[in-house]
Amino acid sequence: GEDVEQSLFLSVREGDSSVINCTYTDSSSTYLYWYKQEPGAGLQLLTYIFSNMDMKQDQRLTVLLNKKDKHLSLRIADTQTGDSAIYFCAGLHNTDKLIFGTGTRLQVFP
Amino acid sequence: ETGVTQTPRHLVMGMTNKKSLKCEQHLGHNAMYWYKQSAKKPLELMFVYNFKEQTENNSVPSRFSPECPNSSHLFLHLHTLQPEDSALYLCASSQDVTNSGNTIYFGEGSWLTVV
Repeated sequence: GEDVEQSLFLSVREGDSSVINCTYTDSSSTYLYWYKQEPGAGLQLLTYIFSNMDMKQDQRLTVLLNKKDKHLSLRIADTQTGDSAIYFCAGLHNTDKLIFGTGTRLQVFP
Repeated sequence: ETGVTQTPRHLVMGMTNKKSLKCEQHLGHNAMYWYKQSAKKPLELMFVYNFKEQTENNSVPSRFSPECPNSSHLFLHLHTLQPEDSALYLCASSQDVTNSGNTIYFGEGSWLTVV
């Protein structure tokens, strides 16, 4: 079945850029999503990218998609302590379900 | 405010109890979902309802029983759960069953602890 993988942890200094990576196996995924989960809260949609795009930028967020390598990344510029959270990558599988990765815990230290 | 509201936010129940989780969406969507999030495991889709009809049951044990009385409300009835069922249960909704980029919006989740 479809598989979405992420590294479990990322630690960065405040003000630096963060890059969270994700790999997926379903080449037919039409949409790929990034969700953020703050402590004690549910999932918040951050951004998404359509599979015919290579890049999408939204303020401090930049999503890069490499379809050949089935690799998706989320770059957060000027990372702040408020960005500390778990970030989930998700791919649209068979047009009827989202498959999520395990999430990457981002820790931002001063 | 997410537009998808879940209650209760926290629930502790014994293995012989019967309880329910409630979800309400104010977005005018037609599809609603239950997901389970356990520690260090990928998010798991449990149930999908589209226009009040269940379209997917992802091999969920019968001790979890969903109910969708209308497109705005979704319940998850819990009965004789096990400690390993302790998790965050997330409700979500989308305009329709996910296709061609319909975005899924999540509630804040209900933290369930089974003792």
